[in-house]
Parts: sequence; C-alpha cells; structure tokens
Amino acid sequence: AQSVTQLGSHVSVSEGALVLLRCNYSSSVPPYLFWYVQYPNQGLQLLLKYTSAATLVKGINGFEAEFKKSETSFHLTKPSAHMSDAAEYFCAVTSNSGYSTLTFGKGTMLLVSP
Amino acid sequence: DSGVTQTPKHLITATGQRVTLRCSPRSGDLSVYWYQQSLDQGLQFLIQYYNGEERAKGNILERFSAQQFPDLHSELNLSSLELGDSALYFCASSVGTVNYNEQFFGPGTRLTVL
Repeated sequence: AQSVTQLGSHVSVSEGALVLLRCNYSSSVPPYLFWYVQYPNQGLQLLLKYTSAATLVKGINGFEAEFKKSETSFHLTKPSAHMSDAAEYFCAVTSNSGYSTLTFGKGTMLLVSP
Repeated sequence: DSGVTQTPKHLITATGQRVTLRCSPRSGDLSVYWYQQSLDQGLQFLIQYYNGEERAKGNILERFSAQQFPDLHSELNLSSLELGDSALYFCASSVGTVNYNEQFFGPGTRLTVL
C-alpha cells in the first residue's frame, strides 16, 4: 500500500525565513504526489501536485516542491515565510494502481512568528 | 470557495443515534469522496462514488454507509454512533477517477458524539 511520512508534526519559522516541510513516500513505482494546505476551520486546498511531467513543481502562494526519486522525497519549500502561511500542511499520494483516492500523511503544522 | 458544499456545518448528537451528512460536488464533477479527520487517526479515506456507483472503499466501518444520487449529491449515513466517531468529515469531488485529478474539498461537517 502507498504511504507518505511527514517528518515533524510542528515546524516553527520566523517571518521571512525559508520554509521546508518534509515528505517521504513509499512506493516502488513513482506515484502521484500532492501537497494540500488546511487553514483553521476550513477544508483542504491543493497547493501543488507531481504528475511526472517535471520534477520541480511550482504551486500557489509561492510554494514549490521537488520530486527526488533517489530519496523518495517530495519536500515542500517556500523561500520567505509570511504570517498568512501559518496552517497545517498535508502531503498525500494516490495509488498507482488506477484508483484516485488520497492517502495522507499525518500533517505538519507550520507556525510563523513575527 | 472550492464549490463543494457540505451540510450541516456542525452536528451534535448522542451515542447510539444515526445522522446523515450531505455533500454537493462542484458543478460537472462526477466523483465524490468522503474522508474522516480525527486527532488520533488523521485524515482517512472512507469511500468514493463515481456517477452513482461505488468506486472504492477505504477504512469505512460497517455502521457507515453512503450513496450518490442521480443529481450527483452524496450522503454519508452514520449509525449506532460511538464517542470515537466524533471527527471532521470532509467531502471532496473531482472530475473523474484519474489518479492525478485534483480533488476539491468542502468545508467539512464537524460531528460531536456525546
């Protein structure tokens, strides 16, 4: 079964600092990978997705992620954190057997301090 | 606004009771997914429907059932409720069943079982 592991349940950064949220996947075949963001009391919103077209994927709000097959990783980065980035971030994977259901990591809460 | 609507927003009920959660997908989307988000289990896929037919099943309890109607809205029925069923229930929709399709999430229904 596909799975993703997010390292760090909480990450704290200062405003303007680099944001790095880690995600590793387990799959013998490169899957489709997603990053979703959840703001307080809201549903999930897609930030970006990897579908094998390009290893460096750019998303909304200045976020990007790089797919590294050798490291089975799909880490999310943003060069400069903004207070509005404070939220919970979820890495997710879909099955490469044809099903489109998402398997989520446990999530990483990003805290941004002024 | 994702275009996916869920009602009710909040639901408080007692153990042993039955509730129905409703979801209307984005216009044009044929797939509906149900996910459960709880503190101990995280985000888990429950069930997927595509154009009225059950497409995939995840960690859904036998006490839970769902259906998708001809107008494509979906309902999730939870019966014989237990304290542990307290969670946030999300509905998501996508155009089809391709595993790289973006899923659009509703705002969720928060269920509290007392």
